[in-house]
Amino acid sequence: ETGVTQSPTHLIKTRGQQVTLRCSSQSGHNTVSWYQQALGQGPQFIFQYYREEENGRGNFPPRFSGLQFPNYSSELNVNALELDDSALYLCASSFPGRRGTEAFFGQGTRLTVV
Amino acid sequence: EDKVVQSPLSLVVHEGDTVTLNCSYEVTNFRSLLWYKQEKKAPTFLFMLTSSGIEKKSGRLSSILDKKELFSILNITATQTGDSAVYLCAVEASYGQNFVFGPGTRLSVLP
Repeated sequence: ETGVTQSPTHLIKTRGQQVTLRCSSQSGHNTVSWYQQALGQGPQFIFQYYREEENGRGNFPPRFSGLQFPNYSSELNVNALELDDSALYLCASSFPGRRGTEAFFGQGTRLTVV
Repeated sequence: EDKVVQSPLSLVVHEGDTVTLNCSYEVTNFRSLLWYKQEKKAPTFLFMLTSSGIEKKSGRLSSILDKKELFSILNITATQTGDSAVYLCAVEASYGQNFVFGPGTRLSVLP
């Protein structure tokens, strides 16, 4: 158990709808990153939040947006859902170390867009 | 563009075999390389490597990094069916920044 929790675990949405996924970070971790993992592929970086500010973004369109709250929990919002958004969405909690950063993942949210 | 490549993509072995999984990378500002095991959903942290030539070991698993040749290997000895999973290699390219993941190696251990 990593202490990183995500909700919901599964979700089915219709194309064009909006979705909000949630992540509670591990105690003491001030950085949350979101990843999209399509079936059979490695996780792809969406964006990262550090102390409530976006701190880096991958190659995802603006309809993917997020928030981080003062307790370091985070939300991922996706608007105008497309079929290709169907994937496992992973949240990673971390605290950058001097020599390297250990990131711990939640169980993920499996999103299916129909 | 930062890139992580893993090989093989898929591997089938029998219990008791030893396996070596490979990860090579090209990143602009390397900080660390991490190995994860993913069985169903959450990738589980295995190792973080920052220095060349220093082997990290945990039970039957071990890993080493070569920063000159830009690769890492993950060894699993005396494999068990519980080792069946996807093994992901990730590289931290800048301080506190995101990880670049490889596609993973799917390991199947048959009884």
